Amino acid sequence: EAGVAQSPRYKIIEKRQSVAFWCNPISGHATLYWYQQILGQGPKLLIQFQNNGVVDDSQLPKDRFSAERLKGVDSTLKIQPAKLEDSAVYLCASSLSDGLGTEAFFGQGTRLTVV
Amino acid sequence: DAKTTQPNSMESNEEEPVHLPCNHSTISGTDYIHWYRQLPSQGPEYVIHGLTSNVNNRMASLAIAEDRKSSTLILHRATLRDAAVYYCMMNTGNQFYFGTGTSLTVIP
Repeated sequence: EAGVAQSPRYKIIEKRQSVAFWCNPISGHATLYWYQQILGQGPKLLIQFQNNGVVDDSQLPKDRFSAERLKGVDSTLKIQPAKLEDSAVYLCASSLSDGLGTEAFFGQGTRLTVV
Repeated sequence: DAKTTQPNSMESNEEEPVHLPCNHSTISGTDYIHWYRQLPSQGPEYVIHGLTSNVNNRMASLAIAEDRKSSTLILHRATLRDAAVYYCMMNTGNQFYFGTGTSLTVIP
């Protein structure tokens, strides 16, 4: 079974530029998550989709971050404009359903460096 | 966020058992307890989860206290490949909230 695919693996941009990350979840997984992981910290949930609807985006900085999930499959996370403090690894995960007890599968992440 | 408390770091000798503790005193009746681990430069990896009863799988065992306010992840024989950050989470409202985790060092 193919895992969660993310691209690019690495990205370096200057502050105030924009950037987009792409995620392809495991086939058939209804729930998709985006996390931000700053060096030395645990992942922080940014947004959760159930199919193509948003379940929780309470921790998403909506003035600069946006995310969408096209046709309930692939998803993109965008930052515009980027700030230095956005330097982090952005992780995408998916799970089969939103039922309690369901395990989540994570991609390898995109490491963003803002200079 | 649903909060859990774990020690920042632990050490274990190779081939010895490791007991990783977690406190989750605010757990509610329908919350599952999940454990994930993260190896360097990789995304988190599922280890085990449970609700009330102790659980075993090929990777580890999960011992859940009777009042469910704490749990312990047990690695029966630590190997060098088990060196990672281990996260304990409550699966609350279909979300996975990570804490700071426990960094496990395995000593050869």
